[in-house]
Amino acid sequence: DAGVTQSPTHLIKTRGQHVTLRCSPISGHKSVSWYQQVLGQGPQFIFQYYEKEERGRGNFPDRFSARQFPNYSSELNVNALLLGDSALYLCASSSGPNTGELFFGEGSRLTVL
Amino acid sequence: AQTVTQSQPEMSVQEAETVTLSCTYDTSESDYYLFWYKQPPSRQMILVIRQEAYKQQNATENRFSVNFQKAAKSFSLKISDSQLGDAAMYFCAYRSWFSNFGNEKLTFGTGTRLTIIP
Repeated sequence: DAGVTQSPTHLIKTRGQHVTLRCSPISGHKSVSWYQQVLGQGPQFIFQYYEKEERGRGNFPDRFSARQFPNYSSELNVNALLLGDSALYLCASSSGPNTGELFFGEGSRLTVL
Repeated sequence: AQTVTQSQPEMSVQEAETVTLSCTYDTSESDYYLFWYKQPPSRQMILVIRQEAYKQQNATENRFSVNFQKAAKSFSLKISDSQLGDAAMYFCAYRSWFSNFGNEKLTFGTGTRLTIIP
């Protein structure tokens, strides 16, 4: 069975541009979470969606938004990119709230120049 | 808000030896999960072991075991018989036990880079 898949794996943008990152959860998983991992640090929680509803939001500016589709895949959008948005963006899925285990993808490496 | 602290940025161990990675956390909650995740150069976070706070028995998964001290808010990971494939970043993480709204937020520490010396 396929694990959590993310696209693109690497991308380079310039300041002020917009980016869309995509995530497909494990088949049967209805919850998707997004994390930002800046180089040398632990991942920071951005969003969680379950059954297409936002269930959690971390301390990130409104430039960050996300959504979940009927097939439970998800997009993370970042507007007006800043140099500080350069990071590895990780997606994780689970079968539902309070299951206790998240399964992570390999991430999308975003570089902002 | 919960915080997770990993005070060892880097650790090294000889192959086949035992190493312990430290983690402390701060919370006012009584029920929660604690996790150790491994992140190799491939970048994918892999769950190593998890502990439910209500369980007094320390979790064990093959060569990996934890020392969970709830009163001290300490959660260390012991790796026995270290292997070359264990080389990675190791992250300690905290999650609230239950949220009516289904929030699964993980709070991570800053990680410990483990090097295995052949």
